[in-house]
Amino acid sequence: DQQVKQNSPSLSVQEGRISILNCDYTNSMFDYFLWYKKYPAEGPTFLISISSIKDKNEDGRFTVFLNKSAKHLSLHIVPSQPGDSAVYFCAASAQGGSEKLVFGKGTKLTVNP
Amino acid sequence: GAVVSQHPSWVICKSGTSVKIECRSLDFQATTMFWYRQFPKQSLMLMATSNEGSKATYEQGVEKDKFLINHASLTLSTLTVTSAHPEDSSFYICSARARGAISYEQYFGPGTRLTVT
Repeated sequence: DQQVKQNSPSLSVQEGRISILNCDYTNSMFDYFLWYKKYPAEGPTFLISISSIKDKNEDGRFTVFLNKSAKHLSLHIVPSQPGDSAVYFCAASAQGGSEKLVFGKGTKLTVNP
Repeated sequence: GAVVSQHPSWVICKSGTSVKIECRSLDFQATTMFWYRQFPKQSLMLMATSNEGSKATYEQGVEKDKFLINHASLTLSTLTVTSAHPEDSSFYICSARARGAISYEQYFGPGTRLTVT
């Protein structure tokens, strides 16, 4: 049973435009959410996170929005750059992040020049 | 900082043999290391959590006798796939967490591609 779902396997965006990556979860015990970026032949690197007590967290060009009632979060990248092309994983954890991370399948983002 | 390495980056072995994968934290002491497995187009699935000096905790459905994990030092954990079979072919990724860090503060290695023929 997939507790964290990223329903779009891929997304293609023009440079300078907004990239929106979506993630849904089913476990209501999750209260901490993270986004990781992964380049080929490298391990995932932490990008941004959000606690369930917030509905938005911003870090430079990256903003994560959380809609608890819909059990949905999204990552916005503005403006998108070719270097942002990578696979983005959504992950969730319970107990304020102290429980294990549960990952989605990832969305491959391609930013075209 | 916070670099985690894995060796080898890829390995091909014959069915029935054993393969050892190393995970090292290069610039910090990792009290906890995690081992994940990723099948093509699937998510990273946690296999086990290992704490330095103690036995690993395996996730449900992961055979502890098949996937031997040793975390003998604060900078090294090893995963040995024993009696490998073609269905064990996968991408294995480790991550490491420093002392006192929260669970989500993990640093990932680049992964090891295992192909069993």
